[in-house]
Amino acid sequence: KAGVTQTPRYLIKTRGQQVTLSCSPISGHRSVSWYQQTPGQGLQFLFEYFSETQRNKGNFPGRFSGRQFSNSRSEMNVSTLELGDSALYLCASSLDSTNEKLFFGSGTQLSVL
Amino acid sequence: QQQVKQSPQSLIVQKGGISIINCAYENTAFDYFPWYQQFPGKGPALLIAIRPDVSEKKEGRFTISFNKSAKQFSLHIMDSQPGDSATYFCAAKAAGNKLTFGGGTRVLVKP
Repeated sequence: KAGVTQTPRYLIKTRGQQVTLSCSPISGHRSVSWYQQTPGQGLQFLFEYFSETQRNKGNFPGRFSGRQFSNSRSEMNVSTLELGDSALYLCASSLDSTNEKLFFGSGTQLSVL
Repeated sequence: QQQVKQSPQSLIVQKGGISIINCAYENTAFDYFPWYQQFPGKGPALLIAIRPDVSEKKEGRFTISFNKSAKQFSLHIMDSQPGDSATYFCAAKAAGNKLTFGGGTRVLVKP
């Protein structure tokens, strides 16, 4: 069974640009969560989607947004990039929004120059 | 407050030794406490988890001890192996699948 797939693996952008990251959950998993990992702030929750609906949102500015498609694949978008947005963005999937076992992908490493 | 405090930030243990990582939380609404293991270049992987109605859970060489009254929980890695060298994160969950993570502990097991 394939794991959580995140693309691209690495991304370099400049300040002010926008970026879209993609996540394909494990087959059969319907809940997708996104986390930001930085050396300074650690792992922080961004948002969770289930059945194409945002169920939870973390304390991030509105520049961070996401969506989920009918096949459970998810994308997150960051607009007007700032230097501080440089981070590893991790996607995690679970069977549903009540199943606590999260399976993480390897992440997308975003560098903002 | 939704914080989870983890210590130590790093530790070095000899092969065969015991690694102990501690976490403390404030929010009594947390009802699920997982530990994740992360290797460089990889995402975190679920190692073991516990609920607050259980004081201890053991899976192989990994044991979680949970103290509900003190709002603390810890991970013990018995017979530590070089392959256990990784960063370990404790976490806590309240409603939904939103995990609040501790700051991480980098464990180095020396052969």
